[in-house]
Amino acid sequence: QQQVKQSPQSLIVQKGGISIINCAYENTAFDYFPWYQQFPGKGPALLIAIRPDVSEKKEGRFTISFNKSAKQFSLHIMDSQPGDSATYFCAPGGILTGGGNKLTFGTGTQLKVEL
Amino acid sequence: NAGVTQTPKFRILKIGQSMTLQCTQDMNHNYMYWYRQDPGMGLKLIYYSVGAGITDKGEVPNGYNVSRSTTEDFPLRLELAAPSQTSVYFCASSYSRTVNEQFFGPGTRLTVL
Repeated sequence: QQQVKQSPQSLIVQKGGISIINCAYENTAFDYFPWYQQFPGKGPALLIAIRPDVSEKKEGRFTISFNKSAKQFSLHIMDSQPGDSATYFCAPGGILTGGGNKLTFGTGTQLKVEL
Repeated sequence: NAGVTQTPKFRILKIGQSMTLQCTQDMNHNYMYWYRQDPGMGLKLIYYSVGAGITDKGEVPNGYNVSRSTTEDFPLRLELAAPSQTSVYFCASSYSRTVNEQFFGPGTRLTVL
């Protein structure tokens, strides 16, 4: 069962353009909706995250839009730069039975920003 | 702070060999996690720990064991390596249940031949 579907698998955007990545989930128990950024040879790093009580959060050029009824959230990168070229993962989170936080990762989107 | 450190960076094992992947964090985080990342896939949770002496299985625990004797260290043990365990392994930590951000180490690339 694929709980998290991320699209597109890859994306090429011109410098200065807008990059949009989407994530659909099934588990209504998720209560934390982050996007992680991963550069080649590195571990993922938190980029931006949202709680389900708000519909949008903006941090600099990065915006999360959240649609609870549709069970979807998306990442928008404004004024995309070559340094944004990386793999992006949505990873909605919920509670583990043992008390920790379980992140369910999407399959990733490879973003390439061209000059 | 060094954050989350992992050793080794790379390792090649023969089928049936054993090894321990080391993970240490210096942020005084209570929660620690082990993930594996296969090509073209997202990360899958292997084991996690909510504090010293407490561990629990994640999504894909078969073939692995963990221990957590201190807050800082969370080693992952492979007892009988199999080709299916060829992957990149990431250790992560977070402060608490309500502070969700997970900090990841640089990963260990393991090949089993």
